[in-house]
Amino acid sequence: DVKVTQSSRYLVKRTGEKVFLECVQDMDHENMFWYRQDPGLGLRLIYFSYDVKMKEKGDIPEGYSVSREKKERFSLILESASTNQTSMYLCASSLTPGPGDTQYFGPGTRLTVL
Amino acid sequence: GDSVTQMEGPVTLSEEAFLTINCTYTATGYPSLFWYVQYPGEGLQLLLKATKADDKGSNKGFEATYRKETTSFHLEKGSVQVSDSAVYFCALSAGNDMRFGAGTRLTVKP
Repeated sequence: DVKVTQSSRYLVKRTGEKVFLECVQDMDHENMFWYRQDPGLGLRLIYFSYDVKMKEKGDIPEGYSVSREKKERFSLILESASTNQTSMYLCASSLTPGPGDTQYFGPGTRLTVL
Repeated sequence: GDSVTQMEGPVTLSEEAFLTINCTYTATGYPSLFWYVQYPGEGLQLLLKATKADDKGSNKGFEATYRKETTSFHLEKGSVQVSDSAVYFCALSAGNDMRFGAGTRLTVKP
């Protein structure tokens, strides 16, 4: 079974702090994704990566950056956290690019910014 | 751009009732369509998918048929159980990324 793990289930940070969210997948998947999930809005793509050191902006990249130094690990960085970044953050991975490929999700990190 | 619209919730049903959650899509190409389910406190997991028109995806008693003529992918189950209580997301993929609907929360009462 594919396993996608995220470093924290719950996180509380203060406005202005730098925040790191880590995601690791154990199935040698090429693609990795970061989403945020908000009630009534579904999942919105922040960034994705289709290879080590490669990244592409999603729909809402402002205020975020990412890092992929190793194939299995994809980090989301909030350079200066703000209260409007309070949300559930979901990481996902898929084997290859392509419209038919299933994405596998981690359990999510619920981030609260005070 | 590509998008998915699914029926708003919440949906509350009694055990053994019939379930339909509507999903329609807009896409310029030939997308694959998915239903994901999110149980309380967990991430999303794939429920079923269909990759071309007229395909039927099925899993755990749930079914959905890819209807190109009506651009729809409605989720159905003949007899729901309390354990089906979750949030259901319709999604499409026509390239490297995936577009999700807003989610429909289903509560099944005994």
